[in-house]
Amino acid sequence: DGGITQSPKYLFRKEGQNVTLSCEQNLNHDAMYWYRQDPGQGLRLIYYSQIVNDFQKGDIAEGYSVSREKKESFPLTVTSAQKNPTAFYLCASRRRGLETQYFGPGTRLLVL
Amino acid sequence: GQQVMQIPQYQHVQEGEDFTTYCNSSTTLSNIQWYKQRPGGHPVFLIQLVKSGEVKKQKRLTFQFGEAKKNSSLHITATQTTDVGTYFCAVTNDYKLSFGAGTTVTVRA
Repeated sequence: DGGITQSPKYLFRKEGQNVTLSCEQNLNHDAMYWYRQDPGQGLRLIYYSQIVNDFQKGDIAEGYSVSREKKESFPLTVTSAQKNPTAFYLCASRRRGLETQYFGPGTRLLVL
Repeated sequence: GQQVMQIPQYQHVQEGEDFTTYCNSSTTLSNIQWYKQRPGGHPVFLIQLVKSGEVKKQKRLTFQFGEAKKNSSLHITATQTTDVGTYFCAVTNDYKLSFGAGTTVTVRA
């Protein structure tokens, strides 16, 4: 069953804590993306990776970090420097040469 | 990234009626994509438009790309409760997507 998985579905963060959101895909896609969605708003790009071991900042990268050590995996760390982390985080992937992106089910991050 | 404006932000529709949502840009677009996000769900790709004046249909949904490639529209006929959700347009730039704020559709039965 091919697709994109994100875990956990819900995540709670305490003040000053770093948390890592998982994104895995078995679609053999080269590119992967992380977006943030706030209520009533569109998606904003945090980081993206076109190929393994390479990634670039998106429009709102401050307070976030990523790694791309494997083609299938693109974890996102929300650091304590991100002062307003409560949001819905969506991971997406794209096949090389095509522009359509496929999204995972998302992770809702809440700050306690 | 390129900016796209979507109007209206909210659309309340009586079941069975038609409605149109619009996506506008101040610059010429290479292409435009449309996605649908159901409440509590994730965006799902609907369609991509590339050519000037292009019109594509998916059952009750009609997508159009403007002649100047600066705007696009999504028209839904005979709205059903399954049409509930937020419809986003998105423009591509070097394989990155810039999303509009979306049109959130609710349906009155």
